[in-house]
Amino acid sequence: KAGVTQTPRYLIKTRGQQVTLSCSPISGHRSVSWYQQTPGQGLQFLFEYFSETQRNKGNFPGRFSGRQFSNSRSEMNVSTLELGDSALYLCASSSDLVGKLFFGSGTQLSVL
Amino acid sequence: GQQVMQIPQYQHVQEGEDFTTYCNSSTTLSNIQWYKQRPGGHPVFLIQLVKSGEVKKQKRLTFQFGEAKKNSSLHITATQTTDVGTYFCAGEWDTDKLIFGTGTRLQVFP
Repeated sequence: KAGVTQTPRYLIKTRGQQVTLSCSPISGHRSVSWYQQTPGQGLQFLFEYFSETQRNKGNFPGRFSGRQFSNSRSEMNVSTLELGDSALYLCASSSDLVGKLFFGSGTQLSVL
Repeated sequence: GQQVMQIPQYQHVQEGEDFTTYCNSSTTLSNIQWYKQRPGGHPVFLIQLVKSGEVKKQKRLTFQFGEAKKNSSLHITATQTTDVGTYFCAGEWDTDKLIFGTGTRLQVFP
């Protein structure tokens, strides 16, 4: 079984731009969660989707949004990028609502 | 808000020494999970604890869930260089979302 796939692996953007990150979960997994990882803050929960519905949302500004498609693939969008958005963005899928998470390798976003 | 406090932030040990990391929540958890992230890698699931007072072992790793389901620990016996990485606990409070602790970075010197 293929693991969780995140694209792109690396991304460099400038302040004010917007970015879209993609995540393909493990086949059969309907839950997809997104986390932001920074050296000082650890793993911060962004949001979770299950069967195309956002079930939970973390404490991030509205510039961070996401969606899930009928094939369970998910995208995360960040608009009006700020320097502080530089981080590793991790996607994780699960077969259950709060089962064990399988993480992708992440997208390293650098905002200049 | 719901959060888990994890200590210590860093731990450096000599190979063969034991290591323990602790997680605490101010409110009762539904369950707690543990993950390991190797340097440059992504978090990998280790275990999930659900029952009060639960103890689970995986070779040299021992996981405990407190009686009140507010704290948990991961103990590694006789560390090896392959144990290097950051260990995260992640708590869930009936909200169907996992909140991660800040992690404990373990360095093992040969």
